[in-house]
Amino acid sequence: DIQMTQSPSTLSASVGDRVTITCRASQTINSWLTWYQQKPGKAPKLLIYKASTLQSGVPSRFSGSGSGTEFTLTITNLQPDDFATYYCQQYADYTTFGGGTKVEIK
Amino acid sequence: QIQLQQSGPGLVQASQTLSLTCAISGDSVSNKNVAWNWIRQSPSRGLEWLGRTLYRSNWNYDYADSLKGRITVSPDTSRNQFSLHLKSVTPEDTAVYFCSREEITTRFDYWGRGTLVTVSS
Repeated sequence: DIQMTQSPSTLSASVGDRVTITCRASQTINSWLTWYQQKPGKAPKLLIYKASTLQSGVPSRFSGSGSGTEFTLTITNLQPDDFATYYCQQYADYTTFGGGTKVEIK
Repeated sequence: QIQLQQSGPGLVQASQTLSLTCAISGDSVSNKNVAWNWIRQSPSRGLEWLGRTLYRSNWNYDYADSLKGRITVSPDTSRNQFSLHLKSVTPEDTAVYFCSREEITTRFDYWGRGTLVTVSS
């Protein structure tokens, strides 16, 4: 199975900050990487797929990059609505999720 | 507007079968461009993909290796829905269960609200 490791597990930030979340795959997954946002008691919400393609309706302050084994989700100008947990997901071999990164208020 | 409506019991006895249904509106379970998935989430396991069904010229099924032998995902074309059956459950199967639509091998773009299922011993 392909293992997905996210870092950090928790990130403290302020409104207006630029934040970066990293996701590493245990083997190459090309660009088969998806990012989700999840808030307590809700289902995950799709943000980015194929490593860098923004899902329709998602604000442009979200961006994704990377290929192979290392990927990044960047949120510029962090907004109050962005405090949540973020997950990566690989699609190269069936699918597995990362352990999540909680973005909390500093 | 695509919506997924989950239903099923929130409490299951150990050794019994967990059964959940996901009713689809705004799409068809027979749509050849997508797959229909079950995912669960627990504090100990995180987000865990369970299995899926998809229609091409016939129905196809994929299951997580860890659950093979216990899991069945089945479509119901007459009701435009799909179901999860997980047999011989233990307290370790306690989790929030989600159904989701998948644009094949790229993303889960629509999700049900989730159902907390507790397995009691």
